[in-house]
Amino acid sequence: DQQVKQNSPSLSVQEGRISILNCDYTNSMFDYFLWYKKYPAEGPTFLISISSIKDKNEDGRFTVFLNKSAKHLSLHIVPSQPGDSAVYFCAAKRVDSSYKLIFGSGTRLLVRP
Amino acid sequence: DAGVIQSPRHEVTEMGQEVTLRCKPISGHDYLFWYRQTMMRGLELLIYFNNNVPIDDSGMPEDRFSAKMPNASFSTLKIQPSEPRDSAVYFCASRQGFDTGELFFGEGSRLTVL
Repeated sequence: DQQVKQNSPSLSVQEGRISILNCDYTNSMFDYFLWYKKYPAEGPTFLISISSIKDKNEDGRFTVFLNKSAKHLSLHIVPSQPGDSAVYFCAAKRVDSSYKLIFGSGTRLLVRP
Repeated sequence: DAGVIQSPRHEVTEMGQEVTLRCKPISGHDYLFWYRQTMMRGLELLIYFNNNVPIDDSGMPEDRFSAKMPNASFSTLKIQPSEPRDSAVYFCASRQGFDTGELFFGEGSRLTVL
């Protein structure tokens, strides 16, 4: 039973355009969400996060949106750059389990020059 | 400051052999996590430790898998006997206490069981 779902295994976007990566979750006990970025042969690295008390968090070109009623979050990258090509993982934390992150299966983003 | 260090980076072994993966967390971090990445399931949490004590091992797939953390700077994940379906990339990650959730990952150990 996957509690965090990334239904798009891959996404291809033209350089300079917006990339939108989506993530759905099923557990209403999740109170904190994170996005991680992973390059080949490297470990995932933290990108951006959002608390459930917010609906938007922005950091430079990266913005995460949270729609709690739909149990959906998305990561927007504007403008997309070739260096953004990587696998992006959505992760969630339960309110009663501060140290356990549940990850989605990842979305591979390709930004074409 | 060095990041999370894992070894070996690559391991190829035959079915039935014992495999031991090693991890050195970031100094001062009191939580250590073992994750497995597969194409089908993405990143799965196997087990995590707090102050060297296993807290949640519900993600360990079966008794063939075991993990230890004898001290604050070292952990092992052992598979015995290994099977082809164990082939995956195994990540170790660490973090410090009451934090917002950010984990620091190692570069992973790619395991291939023939």
